[in-house]
Amino acid sequence: EVQLLESGGGLVQPGGSLRLSCAASGFTFSNYAMSWVRQAPGKGLEWVSGFSGSDDSTYHADSVKGRFTISRDNSKNTLHLQMNSLRAEDSAVYYCAKHRTAGAWYFDYWGQGTLVTVS
Amino acid sequence: DIQMTQSPSSVSASVGDRVTITCRASQGISSWLAWYQQKPGKAPKLLIYGASSLQSGVPSRFSGSGSGTDFTLTISRLQPEDFAIYYCQQANSFPRTFGQGTKLEIK
Repeated sequence: EVQLLESGGGLVQPGGSLRLSCAASGFTFSNYAMSWVRQAPGKGLEWVSGFSGSDDSTYHADSVKGRFTISRDNSKNTLHLQMNSLRAEDSAVYYCAKHRTAGAWYFDYWGQGTLVTVS
Repeated sequence: DIQMTQSPSSVSASVGDRVTITCRASQGISSWLAWYQQKPGKAPKLLIYGASSLQSGVPSRFSGSGSGTDFTLTISRLQPEDFAIYYCQQANSFPRTFGQGTKLEIK
């Protein structure tokens, strides 16, 4: 069974940093691309960052470019999101999501989310 | 960025009804479109990918169609567990973007 478990969320002051982690199990982590998607309270979904399955390139939304960095540790089956220079508008539940296949950015499994509050 | 616009923003329907939700992309995305269902306090669930392919384990009452800029999600016979928020998402270009969501409520 595929499982994704996020951690690392919490309350942080504006300008601060947090590092989110996503522990993956139930599939061969190194074979799949992964992304982070966030959802502000009461709002819709926003893709944040992701790995391309084809060449492991990383991509970020313009709203976080230069502030957030996605990384992965295949030896530990873990995905990370380093968030720096946090702003109030970054407050959201952050989900890690597995891509359905290497070549398509469809998210077939999601974690339960971790809440980040910037205040 | 490609803007994804869903309509309606909310819809009321009864168990057994047929419901159609529309998603329009601001530019052509071929068939690079997915639909998700989200229930309160839960993570989204993938329903449809590639505009019309049913994700494994999703009931056949869900179907998707369209290509280019106009797409639809149809639920043929609403069940009580289908009342939720539905999102479309384009996978054609960066940044990946979602529609604003359509809330399906019980009439």
